[in-house]
Amino acid sequence: DTGVSQNPRHKITKRGQNVTFRCDPISEHNRLYWYRQTLGQGPEFLTYFQNEAQLEKSRLLSDRFSAERPKGSFSTLEIQRTEQGDSAMYLCASSLEGLWRYTFGSGTRLTVV
Amino acid sequence: GQSLEQPSEVTAVEGAIVQINCTYQTSGFYGLSWYQQHDGGAPTFLSYNGLDGLEETGRFSSFLSRSDSYGYLLLQELQMKDSASYFCAVPNQAGTALIFGKGTTLSVSS
Repeated sequence: DTGVSQNPRHKITKRGQNVTFRCDPISEHNRLYWYRQTLGQGPEFLTYFQNEAQLEKSRLLSDRFSAERPKGSFSTLEIQRTEQGDSAMYLCASSLEGLWRYTFGSGTRLTVV
Repeated sequence: GQSLEQPSEVTAVEGAIVQINCTYQTSGFYGLSWYQQHDGGAPTFLSYNGLDGLEETGRFSSFLSRSDSYGYLLLQELQMKDSASYFCAVPNQAGTALIFGKGTTLSVSS
């Protein structure tokens, strides 16, 4: 069990550019979640997958955001046409179905300049 | 909708006991969780209460009262390393993902 891995750890991008983040969950976990966290706030739910199926998306997830989890393994989160308001820590977590014990990755800190 | 309320900041000294309260409003209830997050780190799971009562794990305990929509995290024998943010969380209405509170920043001084 190597934990949840996220890459890159940091990303600085210019406004209007596209960015993609990757998450490798714990292999035995069938649920994968994406959250966004800004300074002084708790993690905000974005979307979740059960195996390869994306089952729920938050209203926070605008059309510029898309997430995939091909083959139910790793997941990617893409943000198109980034805006300064997208600057945040993007956290990935995984869990077993039916359990509320999440294992979080260390996150990707996005800065849009 | 769902909401969670917890104090924004708590301060204490080493060796002391501190209680972080959390009240919640949710349509369906599946349990109350607590997570710890150090600056720059990932949130890590501390405890989960699905039923009323106290759950103890070492120096940390968590309590739930479903009738009062209230829970707390109790940290005993505080150490400097306990300085962190603590989040309570409940599953959303659909029972598919956790909704987190805004967090309580605990500062432990010597």
